[in-house]
Amino acid sequence: GAVVSQHPSWVICKSGTSVKIECRSLDFQATTMFWYRQFPKQSLMLMATSNEGSKATYEQGVEKDKFLINHASLTLSTLTVTSAHPEDSSFYICSARDTSSGNTIYFGEGSWLTVV
Amino acid sequence: GENVEQHPSTLSVQEGDSAVIKCTYSDSASNYFPWYKQELGKRPQLIIDIRSNVGEKKDQRIAVTLNKTAKHFSLHITETQPEDSAVYFCAASYSGNQFYFGTGTSLTVIP
Repeated sequence: GAVVSQHPSWVICKSGTSVKIECRSLDFQATTMFWYRQFPKQSLMLMATSNEGSKATYEQGVEKDKFLINHASLTLSTLTVTSAHPEDSSFYICSARDTSSGNTIYFGEGSWLTVV
Repeated sequence: GENVEQHPSTLSVQEGDSAVIKCTYSDSASNYFPWYKQELGKRPQLIIDIRSNVGEKKDQRIAVTLNKTAKHFSLHITETQPEDSAVYFCAASYSGNQFYFGTGTSLTVIP
């Protein structure tokens, strides 16, 4: 099946720095990708919808200046956590929609972010 | 927006017994309901899904039922095995757009 790849899988950064997470659709074009956040033992919380060539749509309560999303190509969306703080430590996971296969959604492997 | 509730949060069953997880949703426009199995630190794996034009779907030991009127859907796992132990999430979506996930059910199958 289709593959969605995330990078990095693990990242540790210092407070105040910014971290970029990439989400790539490897064998299909994805005009729409989605970013989720998951705290340990909790559900996946939708953060934003990333649309190729336009601004991302953020869910209520998600700071768009804090979590910058760029979807510059049909195979790549990036999430940048700016001025990271320890409370931003979480599992971030993306998904991409393959419109060529009935809008099937494929999830990335996820990225563990630890802010120290 | 959509609100998805899931029960129970934890479930323990003896190997070979059945497990049932229930979800309700709030937005009547939602028409796609997938179920995911997730192991710690890994991506969710789609195990079964159902669309609003169908009331029930079965795939071997796994089945899902949907009641559009009541806005609830359920996951049924029969003849449970230890490898079924994981966290299960339901989700609701409109035409495969944003997924809104339930709170998750941690299933433990006791050998």
